[in-house]
Amino acid sequence: EDKVVQSPLSLVVHEGDTVTLNCSYEVTNFRSLLWYKQEKKAPTFLFMLTSSGIEKKSGRLSSILDKKELFSILNITATQTGDSAVYLCALIIGGSQGNLIFGKGTKLSVKP
Amino acid sequence: ETGVTQSPTHLIKTRGQQVTLRCSSQSGHNTVSWYQQALGQGPQFIFQYYREEENGRGNFPPRFSGLQFPNYSSELNVNALELDDSALYLCASSRGGTGRTDTQYFGPGTRLTVL
Repeated sequence: EDKVVQSPLSLVVHEGDTVTLNCSYEVTNFRSLLWYKQEKKAPTFLFMLTSSGIEKKSGRLSSILDKKELFSILNITATQTGDSAVYLCALIIGGSQGNLIFGKGTKLSVKP
Repeated sequence: ETGVTQSPTHLIKTRGQQVTLRCSSQSGHNTVSWYQQALGQGPQFIFQYYREEENGRGNFPPRFSGLQFPNYSSELNVNALELDDSALYLCASSRGGTGRTDTQYFGPGTRLTVL
C-alpha cells in the first residue's frame, strides 16, 4: 500500500496563481520529510522538514509539516512557467543513513 | 548542478542481457543510494552503500547488485534484464555518519530501455 500519498496528481494553473500541493503519509517513525522538484531527470532538493509547525521558505516557495495530522504542504505563490515540473514528496526512514520513500508526485503545469 | 554524475545517459539493451550503471558522488559525500523510477511513478529505493558496504536494500531481486569504491563512486549491476526493468535509474549521494541524516542529492539519471 502507498505510504506517501500526494494530491492532486496533476494541476494546471496560470501564471500568477498560487498553488498548494499536498503530501500525506502513513509512516509515523521517520526522520525527515523532503520535497524535490523534478523537471526532466534529476530531482532537485527544495526543503527538508524535521519539526512540526515550522515553516520553511525559499523565495516564492514555502513548506510546513504537521506531524500530528500526518501531512505536509508545499505552497508556491505567483507561479511562473518555470515552476512547471513534477513535485515529489519523500520520507527518510530506516537504516543508519536512511533511505527515501517517495510519493508518485504532483505534475504542475503553469500556463502563460 | 549537484556535482553527482551518472553514466551513461541512455542505454538500450535486450532481454536477458546484463547492464552496469555508474555514479560519481558529490565531493565530501560517502553514501550513495540507487533508485528506480518508472514512468509516471516516484523513485523506488533499490539499495544504499555507505563506506563501501551495502547499508539497506529495498524490495528488489538479487539480480540487482551494486558496489561502492574507495573514492565513494558506485556501480549498479542488473543481470538477466527484463522488460519491466526499463526505467530511469537515479543515484543520490549524501554525507552520512553515525546518527546523521543528510539530504540526498540526485544525479541526472540513466534512462535504460530493455527491448
